[in-house]
Amino acid sequence: KNQVEQSPQSLIILEGKNCTLQCNYTVSPFSNLRWYKQDTGRGPVSLTIMTFSENTKSNGRYTATLDADTKQSSLHITASQLSDSASYICVVSGPRDNAGNMLTFGGGTRLMVKP
Amino acid sequence: DTAVSQTPKYLVTQMGNDKSIKCEQNLGHDTMYWYKQDSKKFLKIMFSYNNKELIINETVPNRFSPKSPDKAHLNLHINSLELGDSAVYFCASRLGATQYFGPGTRLTVL
Repeated sequence: KNQVEQSPQSLIILEGKNCTLQCNYTVSPFSNLRWYKQDTGRGPVSLTIMTFSENTKSNGRYTATLDADTKQSSLHITASQLSDSASYICVVSGPRDNAGNMLTFGGGTRLMVKP
Repeated sequence: DTAVSQTPKYLVTQMGNDKSIKCEQNLGHDTMYWYKQDSKKFLKIMFSYNNKELIINETVPNRFSPKSPDKAHLNLHINSLELGDSAVYFCASRLGATQYFGPGTRLTVL
């Protein structure tokens, strides 16, 4: 069964600190992995997309890494800001199943940045 | 400029009613989706649709039906609402590998 597990479920850090969010997946075969940021009361917004051949991808203070061998990804946030407070969702794209679904969503990590 | 918009943002209704949620995208994308986000924040795809093909997640009750009057719109119609339908519903459109989500509609069934 295709699954995406994220850890931790929630995280509180002080403004200016760095943090790393983890994503483990069992989706196979694997097409791409995406990280989304979802602010409270809003829809998810794409941060990064990586294919199996990419090890790292950055978007400003966000850096995602991917190890396709161990089926692990991480999202590193540098010099956190209050606006980083949100849920971060890992999404893995694989083969289309009988329900026509190609995307497997993680449950997200809820990050809170405090002043 | 709103890329993917949904109305209403909030919807409170009684069990047994029929309701619709509207979605519009001005991005010119061919593929649109409806997702349901439950209380545990998991996003689950309900439908994917382009001008050629409707793919239905077979776990979705047939009380839910997508209706697309044109390429820029994909509305979600729900019959005989149940308590378990309470959730946030997101519309999205896709270009390449990137999906663009709407702001969501929080549905509460009383």
